[in-house]
Amino acid sequence: EAAVTQSPRNKVTVTGGNVTLSCRQTNSHNYMYWYRQDTGHGLRLIHYSYGAGNLQIGDVPDGYKATRTTQEDFFLLLELASPSQTSLYFCASSEQGYSGNTLYFGEGSRLIVV
Amino acid sequence: GQQVQQSPASLVLQEGENAELQCNFSTSLNSMQWFYQRPEGSLVSLFYNPSGTKQSGRLTSTTVIKERRSSLHISSSQITDSGTYLCAMVSNTDKVVFGTGTRLQVSP
Repeated sequence: EAAVTQSPRNKVTVTGGNVTLSCRQTNSHNYMYWYRQDTGHGLRLIHYSYGAGNLQIGDVPDGYKATRTTQEDFFLLLELASPSQTSLYFCASSEQGYSGNTLYFGEGSRLIVV
Repeated sequence: GQQVQQSPASLVLQEGENAELQCNFSTSLNSMQWFYQRPEGSLVSLFYNPSGTKQSGRLTSTTVIKERRSSLHISSSQITDSGTYLCAMVSNTDKVVFGTGTRLQVSP
C-alpha cells in the first residue's frame, strides 16, 4: 500500500496569511497531485507534478503555488490566503500518469481561513 | 455541465441490505476508479476498473465503457461501510474528473 503523508492535518489562518501544506510519498511514485474538496464540487485538481522540479497547472490553480522539491515531497503554497480557500486539501500520488494507474491519497489537510 | 453524475446522492440502508451505486459520464472515458471516503475524510481506493467486472470481498464494480457508466455493488452492507463513495473518470486526454459522491449510511 502506497504511503502518502500530509501535514498539517488541520490549520486555521487569517485572511492574507501565508500557508504551506506539505506532502510526502514514500513509494517512489513519479506523479503527485494536489486536490481540494468542497461540498457540491467533488475533488478538483489544483496542481500536479511528474517529477522533481516539474510543475503542471490543474483546473483550479488561482491563488495557489506549488513546488516539487524531490521525488518524495510536494508542497502547496497559499501566499495570501482568502476565505474562499477554506477547504479540505488532498495530496495524491501515482506511479505514472492517471491512465492505467491507481491514485493513492493522503489523509487530507483541513484548512480554515477566517 | 457536470461530467460525472453519481446516484443516488445519499442512501440509508439497514445492515445486511444490498446497495447499488451508479456513476454516469457525459464524455468518453479511458478508465475509471472508485474510492471510499471515511467519515473523518480520508480516501481509500476501492477499484481501478477500466472495463468489465471486478470483485473484492462484498464489493463488485462493473464498468461499461461504451455506455459511459460504472456501478458499485455492495452486498450484505455493514455499519462500517458508512461513508461516501466517489467515482472518478479518466478521459481520453488523461484528465481526471471526480463525481460529488454517494453518501451511504448503514444502520443496525
